[in-house]
Amino acid sequence: AQTVTQSQPEMSVQEAETVTLSCTYDTSESDYYLFWYKQPPSRQMILVIRQEAYKQQNATENRFSVNFQKAAKSFSLKISDSQLGDAAMYFCAYRRTGTASKLTFGTGTRLQVTL
Amino acid sequence: DGGITQSPKYLFRKEGQNVTLSCEQNLNHDAMYWYRQDPGQGLRLIYYSQIVNDFQKGDIAEGYSVSREKKESFPLTVTSAQKNPTAFYLCASSIDEQYYGYTFGSGTRLTVV
Repeated sequence: AQTVTQSQPEMSVQEAETVTLSCTYDTSESDYYLFWYKQPPSRQMILVIRQEAYKQQNATENRFSVNFQKAAKSFSLKISDSQLGDAAMYFCAYRRTGTASKLTFGTGTRLQVTL
Repeated sequence: DGGITQSPKYLFRKEGQNVTLSCEQNLNHDAMYWYRQDPGQGLRLIYYSQIVNDFQKGDIAEGYSVSREKKESFPLTVTSAQKNPTAFYLCASSIDEQYYGYTFGSGTRLTVV
């Protein structure tokens, strides 16, 4: 079974600084998808960024980028120029290819943004 | 606008009672999912359904039941057999294309009183 591990329960960053959230996963598959979701205090889950395993190029979405290391099974999220609105729980998730696949989530990292 | 609607936002249940959480989507997604969220445990899959009239157990299905009579609807019943039902429940849907991840509802907070 696939597992997703987020080893940082909490992180803190100053406004305008950069922070990196860690995620590792375990799978025997060679083709899959990885996601980062944000859950602000409203508790609405929002997709931040996604990565296809067969693509070597790291995904970027504005201030959000990933460092995808397939051999190491690592998928970290970098947030640049942090803003107060970035404060939230962040969940890493894995989904294999193929029909009937489901998202497997990590336990989350709570990000605080300070002035 | 298309989306997923979960209701109610807050729900209180007495011990020994069954309660049903509603989840409706107008995205024309085939697959729907129920997750439970507890502090420090992330999201755990309860049940999922790929097509109408078919559903499968997830990792923590004991004490829960579902139905999928319509493509748009996937209600979750928390039965009296669920020993620790107080939690935040999230419903999600997706098309079968794995690249797109899930679309989530806004959740229901269930509290046993």
